[in-house]
Amino acid sequence: GQNIDQPTEMTATEGAIVQINCTYQTSGFNGLFWYQQHAGEAPTFLSYNVLDGLEEKGRFSSFLSRSKGYSYLLLKELQMKDSASYLCAVRDRGSTLGRLYFGRGTQLTVWP
Amino acid sequence: DVKVTQSSRYLVKRTGEKVFLECVQDMDHENMFWYRQDPGLGLRLIYFSYDVKMKEKGDIPEGYSVSREKKERFSLILESASTNQTSMYLCASSLVTGSEAFFGQGTRLTVV
Repeated sequence: GQNIDQPTEMTATEGAIVQINCTYQTSGFNGLFWYQQHAGEAPTFLSYNVLDGLEEKGRFSSFLSRSKGYSYLLLKELQMKDSASYLCAVRDRGSTLGRLYFGRGTQLTVWP
Repeated sequence: DVKVTQSSRYLVKRTGEKVFLECVQDMDHENMFWYRQDPGLGLRLIYFSYDVKMKEKGDIPEGYSVSREKKERFSLILESASTNQTSMYLCASSLVTGSEAFFGQGTRLTVV
């Protein structure tokens, strides 16, 4: 498998900005995904990075540095509904047909 | 929109029972996956399939088997359910080129 590390928990207040980091070790990197998962629900896709740099999508942005094995998810103008678990997942070039390796998730709590 | 549907949202079974979890996707995806999700352990891959009648073991296949007789349907089978298989089970599908995975709503299985 792959070694994917992300913080277990984070807290922030409504309207603030929060950055969730993810580090990974893989022999053949082929893409990094971020998913959001609300309690009791299925993960939903947020972003995908395969090249270095920042991908922006509304209030959410994701950054990748392949040389450092590092990504972050940036959430701006936090809202209460952003309270969820955020999953980092890496696809390895050597893995069979696109399977993803998931981190354990970061539980984000947004306070009013 | 891609839709991945799992047959049950909640399921309670007795130890020793044979359990079938069904998953259907409607977007002609080649890849299908079964994960289990447990607190503190994240998403762990049980089995995946890249074509009809094809299957590959994931990271924790023991105690499980799968069946893929049709492209749109991927079944997870617990041959003899045990209490340590109490978990949230998530099915996912993706195109073979390794695009994002789409998840079903999950089945919360309790084995008593």
